[in-house]
Amino acid sequence: GAVVSQHPSRVICKSGTSVKIECRSLDFQATTMFWYRQFPKQSLMLMATSNEGSKATYEQGVEKDKFLINHASLTLSTLTVTSAHPEDSSFYICSAEGERGGWDNEQFFGPGTRLTVL
Amino acid sequence: AQTVTQSQPEMSVQEAETVTLSCTYDTSESDYYLFWYKQPPSRQMILVIRQEAYKQQNATENRFSVNFQKAAKSFSLKISDSQLGDAAMYFCAYGASNTGKLIFGQGTTLQVKP
Repeated sequence: GAVVSQHPSRVICKSGTSVKIECRSLDFQATTMFWYRQFPKQSLMLMATSNEGSKATYEQGVEKDKFLINHASLTLSTLTVTSAHPEDSSFYICSAEGERGGWDNEQFFGPGTRLTVL
Repeated sequence: AQTVTQSQPEMSVQEAETVTLSCTYDTSESDYYLFWYKQPPSRQMILVIRQEAYKQQNATENRFSVNFQKAAKSFSLKISDSQLGDAAMYFCAYGASNTGKLIFGQGTTLQVKP
């Protein structure tokens, strides 16, 4: 089936450093990838939509200079949290959408990355 | 803007019994999708069931079924013969057909009692 991986699964960093999170579609080509943020016991909030080869589209209120998204290939999107601060600590989830037949617009979710900023 | 509301933060059900989780949404679009996702403690999002708005027939997947009321903008999930493995957080989500974006409700934590 469609598998999406994320790396790392968890990361701890010092305040002021940058952290890169990778999202890969392992067995299909993802034309679109989405990045979500989830606080404990809360819902998933869409941060941005990335399409291969073009600039990401950010949701209102999401700082594009803080959360850099690159979708360089049909199987890889990266989220870089720049100059991370403790308030950026959260669970980040990516999803990938691709043409696999069956249901249109089905998104396949990665296992998430827990970011802790000290 | 589209919104999704889950008014039940927590629900509990006895093993083997049936439980219904509620969801309402708001949209001015006519073409969209609705989903129920399960998020167990591992936090991996798992698609439970999906409904296309243009289909009048309610979707079913084994023990899971939905009651889709388009005019009322209601999309509830019924879990029959509840199992201990059903315990998780359940999210209702609206999917925009043109952008593929998903908008999630607040979630309902389901506890299954043995």
